[in-house]
Amino acid sequence: DSGVTQTPKHLITATGQRVTLRCSPRSGDLSVYWYQQSLDQGLQFLIQYYNGEERAKGNILERFSAQQFPDLHSELNLSSLELGDSALYFCASSLGLAGGLMAGELFFGEGSRLTVL
Amino acid sequence: GQNIDQPTEMTATEGAIVQINCTYQTSGFNGLFWYQQHAGEAPTFLSYNVLDGLEEKGRFSSFLSRSKGYSYLLLKELQMKDSASYLCAPWDTGFQKLVFGTGTRLLVSP
Repeated sequence: DSGVTQTPKHLITATGQRVTLRCSPRSGDLSVYWYQQSLDQGLQFLIQYYNGEERAKGNILERFSAQQFPDLHSELNLSSLELGDSALYFCASSLGLAGGLMAGELFFGEGSRLTVL
Repeated sequence: GQNIDQPTEMTATEGAIVQINCTYQTSGFNGLFWYQQHAGEAPTFLSYNVLDGLEEKGRFSSFLSRSKGYSYLLLKELQMKDSASYLCAPWDTGFQKLVFGTGTRLLVSP
């Protein structure tokens, strides 16, 4: 158990719909990352938050948005869903920000598997 | 820029030794991480190197050469459960984040 909680574990929805994925980081971790992993693909970095503020953005589509709340949990919103958005979405947390073991040792949640039909 | 290169797939036999190589280019560097990911599961942290040399952790060892932008993960006494993807991930200080390679899928056969 990594200590990172993601909900829901599975989600099936239709094209054009909107979903929200939720992540509670490991206790004490201030940094939260979101990754997308399509079938047999690598981890694609979407966005990072640190202590409530957006710190880095990857190849995140404009249809996607995220935020980190004061209690440090984070939500990833996916809207106008397309078939190609079907993927496993991982949230990860870490303690630090500036590199080294504290920042780079990421603890991943089990992921939210999104299927768009 | 960022560029991480590792083999796409490797196969090995139970009980053998396998070495997974990784070369990287980053804007800046502060450590090299290896993660293991079983199919359909979350990645888990395996090892961390920040200085040149070998770090040993049970059956797994990781090596780093900063001047060459090169790392390898060495797995000894392979077991069937080692069949997984292995992700090389340098910390890029230019982007202040971990950059994951596409991973090496290792298949261990009996």
